[in-house]
Amino acid sequence: EVQLVESGGNLVQPGGTLRLSCATSGFPFSDHYMDWVRQAPGKGLEWVGRSRNKRNNYTPEYAASVRGRVIISRDDSKRSLYLEMNSLKTEDTAVYYCVSASGGTLAFDVWGQGTVVVVSS
Amino acid sequence: SQELTQPPSVSVSPGQTASMTCFGDKVGNKYISWYQQRPGQSPVLVIYKDNQRPSGIPERFSGSSSGNTATLTISGAQAMDEADYYCQMWDSSAAVFGGGTKLTV
Repeated sequence: EVQLVESGGNLVQPGGTLRLSCATSGFPFSDHYMDWVRQAPGKGLEWVGRSRNKRNNYTPEYAASVRGRVIISRDDSKRSLYLEMNSLKTEDTAVYYCVSASGGTLAFDVWGQGTVVVVSS
Repeated sequence: SQELTQPPSVSVSPGQTASMTCFGDKVGNKYISWYQQRPGQSPVLVIYKDNQRPSGIPERFSGSSSGNTATLTISGAQAMDEADYYCQMWDSSAAVFGGGTKLTV
């Protein structure tokens, strides 16, 4: 069974930092691109960024709204994906989903349950 | 940047056909995916590459794309299909989502 389990969500003050983790199982993690997608309260889905696979040198991509403030990394040996967020703003408050993209579908195949980040003073 | 426009809401009676659209300047030249998000749950992929259905997705879900518009169709909508539906595409290595359509059955 494919599983994506996010952790690390918390209440953080504006300007603070936070690191989210995503532990995975049930699929060939090292072959997959992995993404983060977020959803602000009562709003739609917003792509945050992705980590390509080893074959593509783990090259990251970031949404314009977060570029320069976030770093996406992965550890294939631990089958884990990470999202480090800096200079957090109130508008970063959202549920953050870890998502697997197999490549063949050009889509987000499997989603985690999400972890909640609240940026507030 | 590319944008995808979806109607905020669609309503259909049980057993009827529900159609939800996704409009964008270059939709016809890009692959569109569709996601279902039931209240309080994570999104689920229901259509990829315009009209392909992942395993486990009921046959009543279908997709099409022509010109500037992609369409998700649910034939014989059921109460369990009541959810938010999002279209998505890739544009210059960035994922773009539509604003979502709330389907009421």
